Amino acid sequence: NAGVTQTPKFQVLKTGQSMTLQCAQDMNHEYMSWYRQDPGMGLRLIHYSVGAGITDQGEVPNGYNVSRSTTEDFPLRLLSAAPSQTSVYFCASRSPGGRLGEETQYFGPGTRLLVL
Amino acid sequence: LAKTTQPISMDSYEGQEVNITCSHNNIATNDYITWYQQFPSQGPRFIIQGYKTKVTNEVASLFIPADRKSSTLSLPRVSLSDTAVYYCLVGERYSSASKIIFGSGTRLSIRP
Repeated sequence: NAGVTQTPKFQVLKTGQSMTLQCAQDMNHEYMSWYRQDPGMGLRLIHYSVGAGITDQGEVPNGYNVSRSTTEDFPLRLLSAAPSQTSVYFCASRSPGGRLGEETQYFGPGTRLLVL
Repeated sequence: LAKTTQPISMDSYEGQEVNITCSHNNIATNDYITWYQQFPSQGPRFIIQGYKTKVTNEVASLFIPADRKSSTLSLPRVSLSDTAVYYCLVGERYSSASKIIFGSGTRLSIRP
């Protein structure tokens, strides 16, 4: 049980390039999400998904696309990278729980993105 | 979505008890209160979750007054390894699709 995995761990892009950040979970969680975290700041929600084929926008969705074709995978696409997208990106999946103490998110190790 | 307010930073010393209070004045009836811990260069990690009164686990205690407009995370006898950012979140239960929003968190620094 690997939990939530993210690739790559680190990426450098030039302005205007596109790329896909990969996220996968093996816990059969329906709910998955993407956050970005700028230096010294809290996490901001980019997009989330409540199940395969269903996605919705978070707080800062502009410049990012997502899709959810399977329960396991939730890739994040940067359409045309900008320096303002330099950040650490975290993917998370949420335990359905249903009971107090069990409705929690599990986070991946993060992808550090530098846009020049 | 219920907004949360926490102190930006706190300092303490090893062996002390640390209490971090979070304000969530417009918490909804169905909202749980969840606290996460984040170490540098890592994703947040779940600490504790509560609905009302007091919850205790092997890591921390969570105190929630009757009006649920605030909550206090209590870390007993902290060590240097408790230096981290602590986030308080409120959100709907899983039964409803919901955005899970993080605030700025409280940066806790523990000194020897």
